[in-house]
Amino acid sequence: GAGVSQSPRYKVTKRGQDVTLRCDPISSHATLYWYQQALGQGPEFLTYFNYEAQPDKSGLPSDRFSAERPEGSISTLTIQRTEQRDSAMYRCASTLLSGDNTGELFFGEGSRLTVL
Amino acid sequence: AQSVTQLGSHVSVSEGALVLLRCNYSSSVPPYLFWYVQYPNQGLQLLLKYTSAATLVKGINGFEAEFKKSETSFHLTKPSAHMSDAAEYFCAVSDVIRGSQGNLIFGKGTKLSVKP
Repeated sequence: GAGVSQSPRYKVTKRGQDVTLRCDPISSHATLYWYQQALGQGPEFLTYFNYEAQPDKSGLPSDRFSAERPEGSISTLTIQRTEQRDSAMYRCASTLLSGDNTGELFFGEGSRLTVL
Repeated sequence: AQSVTQLGSHVSVSEGALVLLRCNYSSSVPPYLFWYVQYPNQGLQLLLKYTSAATLVKGINGFEAEFKKSETSFHLTKPSAHMSDAAEYFCAVSDVIRGSQGNLIFGKGTKLSVKP
């Protein structure tokens, strides 16, 4: 697509429920990132993909968080048994080149998750 | 460890006045530094970046930033603020320690307000 698309834009859920967030990156972008941004904070790295490979998931806060990108394009972030502390904006970004740390990250508008 | 500190969570200037948003970084290796801007209800977008070329970097919308190694700073400036500059600004450093994969470490952000 023309830009990074995330859905849903807003999600309200009850504690203990599972949620799945979706990211559709810019076509042909090799690398996809997930960030978590709590209120009043900057985005914090969760995990990233090079095509379908997931070289680093060390930023995932717990084993309740998982992400996948099975065909190297669309990615999902799933949070199981949500807790109130999971409330945040979840941002997806993509970049053209694999392994490029000088390039520009293209961000989606984010998915705001509220856990009641 | 690498980190970014943005001084001032809120900055208010009058239209036409100088904009100065402060960013200090900590890095054990030569850093790649970025400023991103987030307009209301939009995703983050790259304003400018420093990747070890010229120390004075020019970005979009009249913004520029100067890399000062001796001060470990990368402050963002604009000579004359415009109402449309009202947004949240994030300074970031490339996380080369985690791996050369373009992951960014963000500051907490500075909200810029522009008064008429």
